[in-house]
Amino acid sequence: GQNIDQPTEMTATEGAIVQINCTYQTSGFNGLFWYQQHAGEAPTFLSYNVLDGLEEKGRFSSFLSRSKGYSYLLLKELQMKDSASYLCAVMDSNYQLIWGAGTKLIIKP
Amino acid sequence: ETGVTQTPRHLVMGMTNKKSLKCEQHLGHNAMYWYKQSAKKPLELMFVYNFKEQTENNSVPSRFSPECPNSSHLFLHLHTLQPEDSALYLCASSQGGQGGEKLFFGSGTQLSVL
Repeated sequence: GQNIDQPTEMTATEGAIVQINCTYQTSGFNGLFWYQQHAGEAPTFLSYNVLDGLEEKGRFSSFLSRSKGYSYLLLKELQMKDSASYLCAVMDSNYQLIWGAGTKLIIKP
Repeated sequence: ETGVTQTPRHLVMGMTNKKSLKCEQHLGHNAMYWYKQSAKKPLELMFVYNFKEQTENNSVPSRFSPECPNSSHLFLHLHTLQPEDSALYLCASSQGGQGGEKLFFGSGTQLSVL
């Protein structure tokens, strides 16, 4: 079967750095997405990786290793507004999105 | 504001009721989706419409009935639901027709079935 694993919940301190991991086992690979979802709001697109390596976008970076079936989302200089759930999703060989259950990130002052 | 609007935001219904969820996108996209989001579970894809044609129905019970009158509007008609259908129902849209597209989500309808 296909599955995506990510931690259920993480806690970090304002101003610090946090890394949210995502491992996947899918039938083929056509890219990996990260979405952010604040409580009661719409998930919003953060990043898309299809090649190995690190993609940086301001305070957020996303890394992919296809050989290891692994990605992480790195958040720097954490702010209280970064408290949200972070969803990892992989597009398989049929262009179907396989979703993880999400990681709830709690930022403490 | 994602450009995708869902109404109502909250809905409480009995198992014998009939109700409809509405989704509208203002992005000029050609693909629209219904997802179910339950607590601590992955998003479940329910239906996909591409250029107004239904292209996916992921074994969804017939008590859920989608309707896509045009590329901008999507409905989910609900009847004789079960308590386990209580969840957040998310609508999304994408450019359409291509793989690897990012999705634009609405804020969802929080549904409670009593």
